[in-house]
Amino acid sequence: IAGITQAPTSQILAAGRRMTLRCTQDMRHNAMYWYRQDLGLGLRLIHYSNTAGTTGKGEVPDGYSVSRANTDDFPLTLASAVPSQTSVYFCASSEGLNTGELFFGEGSRLTVL
Amino acid sequence: GQNIDQPTEMTATEGAIVQINCTYQTSGFNGLFWYQQHAGEAPTFLSYNVLDGLEEKGRFSSFLSRSKGYSYLLLKELQMKDSASYLCAVMDSNYQLIWGAGTKLIIKP
Repeated sequence: IAGITQAPTSQILAAGRRMTLRCTQDMRHNAMYWYRQDLGLGLRLIHYSNTAGTTGKGEVPDGYSVSRANTDDFPLTLASAVPSQTSVYFCASSEGLNTGELFFGEGSRLTVL
Repeated sequence: GQNIDQPTEMTATEGAIVQINCTYQTSGFNGLFWYQQHAGEAPTFLSYNVLDGLEEKGRFSSFLSRSKGYSYLLLKELQMKDSASYLCAVMDSNYQLIWGAGTKLIIKP
């Protein structure tokens, strides 16, 4: 089934640990995004990528890093998790950065204790 | 700053019509988008407006007034499965999507 796959779907993590959220798409979309969604707030962009080999910072990039080695994969890494990074993380893709029709993965619920 | 405002929660009756409003203040405008998000699931794209007026897609319609910084999503013949959050998002001059916090729509029988 075409779309975006995220893993893990849920994770509990001790503060200070390193964590990588995986994201893979099979739609050959150029643009990919990582958002976090917190209660009462809109989706907030963490990092994005316009094409393989390029990445950019979003609204809330601190404490997170990404890489885009190829078109399909866009992992998000928390180098040293903190409790404020407890959130639901969504990976998304679109044909291009100027396209507002995003396709989202099912989300990764992360709890940092 | 950039801001998207929409009501936090609305309640409507099955079979009725509901209008969800969205007002925005952004740096530039390159389109307004509505997404639906069922509880515990991913957002899914519903509609896109870039010119003033009404866009109709089945039971759902979306309206835009750029001069007023205003949009609404109109849902007709409400069904229980329409219970979800509806997210308004505006693409600014840098082609970044600015998201509202979402409107939780509760449908009662």
